[in-house]
Parts: sequence; structure tokens; C-alpha cells
Amino acid sequence: DAGVIQSPRHEVTEMGQEVTLRCKPISGHNSLFWYRQTMMRGLELLIYFNNNVPIDDSGMPEDRFSAKMPNASFSTLKIQPSEPRDSAVYFCASSGTGFGDTQYFGPGTRLTVL
Amino acid sequence: GDSVTQMEGPVTLSEEAFLTINCTYTATGYPSLFWYVQYPGEGLQLLLKATKADDKGSNKGFEATYRKETTSFHLEKGSVQVSDSAVYFCALIFSGTYKYIFGTGTRLKVLA
Repeated sequence: DAGVIQSPRHEVTEMGQEVTLRCKPISGHNSLFWYRQTMMRGLELLIYFNNNVPIDDSGMPEDRFSAKMPNASFSTLKIQPSEPRDSAVYFCASSGTGFGDTQYFGPGTRLTVL
Repeated sequence: GDSVTQMEGPVTLSEEAFLTINCTYTATGYPSLFWYVQYPGEGLQLLLKATKADDKGSNKGFEATYRKETTSFHLEKGSVQVSDSAVYFCALIFSGTYKYIFGTGTRLKVLA
């Protein structure tokens, strides 16, 4: 079985540019999570989708960040405009039900904003 | 509030040494407890879990027991290998909720 797929694996961009991160969850999972990992703040939950609907976006840092899930097999996290402090590893994870359940993480996208 | 506390790292051991990584939690109810492992350049993956008091989770030679009386879920392995070098995260989640509470992670380095 394919796990969670993320692309790109690495992204280097300049401040002010738009960045789009992509995620394909495990087939059959109905919950999807976006996390950000930094040395200073550890793992932070940015947004949670259940059945393609955003349930909790309280972790999204500011309006520059947006996430969509147009169907059960695809999600995007967009940063516009990007800033150097957005540099981090961004993980997508999916789970069967989302509630009290094991989450399966993708390999992450390492974003560097110059 | 609910929280997870892990021992500071890095933990550096020689191959075949005994490993303990401490994890304690504060919770208002009875959560499920997890250990996730993150190998270099990869995402987190489930190592083991326990859903109720006195349950023991085990996988790949690692073990952890859910101790309600001490609110702990310490990770142990009898003989570590170089390939166990990774960051280990303790986490909790309540039944019926979706949000994990993760510890800060403990980096393990195993030397040959």
C-alpha cells in the first residue's frame, strides 16, 4: 500500500513568492492533517479536515496560509506571500477516522524561504 | 491543561545498551498513549500504542506500559542498534477527539 504522498520533498523559494504544498492521503482515510515542524516550536497542528471539510484551522498562523481539500485524495497547503519565518518541514498525515486514531505521516516537505 | 513531558535529549548510547526514554503526561481523562518514531529525513511513524491502563504496547523490541498511577509511558528496549537512531515522540489523544498532544521529542544516537 502506498503511504501518504507529499510533493515536493524540498522547496526553496524567495520571500514574497507563493508556495503550494501537495498531499495525497492514504486511500480510504477520511481525516487529513497538516503539521509544521520547527526546532523552536516542535510539531504544530495547522489544520484538520474530516471528509474533505475543514474542521479546525485554529493552528493556521495567519491569513497568508490557506488549505484546501477538493476531494478525498488530494489536499494543498498554500502560503502567499511566503516569508523566511515560514521555513520549516511541513507534514501531511491521514487517519481512518481521525478520532483517537493512529495517524500516518507523509515524508514531509522541507521549505526554505530566502 | 493536558500535556506530555519527555526527557531532554540527545540520548547517546553504545550498540546493545539498554534504552529508557521517559514520558509522563498530565490529562484530565483517560487518553490513549503513543510512541512515534521519526527517522532522519522521514515523517513520523507509529512505533507502539496503548489504549488503557496497564496495557503494554510493543513493536520491534521496544516496549512501553501505560501506568495510570504514575501517569507515565516510558519507552524501553533491551538492546539498541545503530539503526534505532532517530527522534522519538510520546503523544496522547483522547477517544472521540482528533488532536494529538505531542511531547517535544527525544533524539537517540546509537554508536557502533
